[in-house]
Amino acid sequence: GAVVSQHPSWVICKSGTSVKIECRSLDFQATTMFWYRQFPKQSLMLMATSNEGSKATYEQGVEKDKFLINHASLTLSTLTVTSAHPEDSSFYICSARVPGSTGELFFGEGSRLTVL
Amino acid sequence: KQEVTQIPAALSVPEGENLVLNCSFTDSAIYNLQWFRQDPGKGLTSLLLIQSSQREQTSGRLNASLDKSSGRSTLYIAASQPGDSATYLCAASLSGNTPLVFGKGTRLSVIA
Repeated sequence: GAVVSQHPSWVICKSGTSVKIECRSLDFQATTMFWYRQFPKQSLMLMATSNEGSKATYEQGVEKDKFLINHASLTLSTLTVTSAHPEDSSFYICSARVPGSTGELFFGEGSRLTVL
Repeated sequence: KQEVTQIPAALSVPEGENLVLNCSFTDSAIYNLQWFRQDPGKGLTSLLLIQSSQREQTSGRLNASLDKSSGRSTLYIAASQPGDSATYLCAASLSGNTPLVFGKGTRLSVIA
């Protein structure tokens, strides 16, 4: 199947700092990528839809000024958690579809953020 | 708005038993449905994808069925093994451009 890669796989940062997570489609181009968040023992909740060359679409309750999404190329979307706080500690995971395919969503390995 | 529900939330079975995990969705006009496995602290492993026109998909000891009219899907695991212990997630999408909506998962423990 197609490969979606995330980096870093885990990161620890101090409260108040910003953290950037990268999501790359390695063997296909993705005009749309989806960012999810998963708190411990919870399911995956959609945060936003990342659109190449345009603004991201955020789900209700997700602060767009706090979670900055940039989709500058067809193979890269980035999520920046600005002024991170301990409550932002979570597992962030991105996904994308191969255009014109079966519609299967491929997921990155996820990035675990811990804010101290 | 699509909602996905999975029952049971947790299941413990002895090794070798066949088992069924259930998934229901509120909007029957789904595009496709995917089953995933997630090990603790890890990402998602895609198990099976069922298109809206399909009734079932099989991969090894796994079989997933889809009944759109009733808004249900099941994941059947044959001859369960301790290595099958994980959380199983069901997710549905309404089109080829929309994201997946996930259920809360079923946490499976297979006891040796």
